[in-house]
Amino acid sequence: QVHLVQSGGEVKKPGASLKVSCQVSGYTFTSLGINWVRQAPGQGLEWMGWISAYNGNTNYAQKLQDRVTLTTDTSTSTAYLELRSLISDDAAMYYCATQYQLLPYWGQGTLVAVSS
Amino acid sequence: QPVLTQPPSVSRAPGQRVTISCTGSSSNIGAGYDVHWYQQLPGTAPKAVIYGNNNRPSGVPDRISGSKSGTSASLAITGLQAEDEADYYCQSYDSSLSGWVFGGGTKLTVL
Repeated sequence: QVHLVQSGGEVKKPGASLKVSCQVSGYTFTSLGINWVRQAPGQGLEWMGWISAYNGNTNYAQKLQDRVTLTTDTSTSTAYLELRSLISDDAAMYYCATQYQLLPYWGQGTLVAVSS
Repeated sequence: QPVLTQPPSVSRAPGQRVTISCTGSSSNIGAGYDVHWYQQLPGTAPKAVIYGNNNRPSGVPDRISGSKSGTSASLAITGLQAEDEADYYCQSYDSSLSGWVFGGGTKLTVL
């Protein structure tokens, strides 16, 4: 059973940067790929990007690739999402997710508000 | 605009059967990539109810099933119960985008 625990909610001002963490337990972290997904209030799920915990390779959604960076810390089995130059449309619930033996596992979500 | 297409809403009476469709293309479902289905209750994270096209995670009742054919997939729920009322999302992988893709979600109402 893979378990993902995310950092707590945040309130950010427009133009600021956001960093969300996702600590993984229950399986070898470096064997996993970590996806980040967000959901704006009342909206659907939007994939943001993926990082390999094995070698740090990344793929980003085209609309976000100029503002997003995904990283990992293998010493703590933690993945990080950084999003820069926040705008009001970035207000959302942010989720990390992975797959193990085909089964998807998701974190509990991190609520981010963007307000001046 | 979501890459995968789902009906925005469906409604059925308790005890009835419902199917939710998910239509993709040759770069995702049609390319052979697995489809997963999520149930999302208000204020909670998505929970997988079908993974790998037709597999149920432990604890998901066998009233829920999944199938895939060509560029489409379907989620079926029989013997509908009030607890099934939720938003349902399909998800796959897209080779053109090199990432996960989702349907827009279907709101299931149990009348």
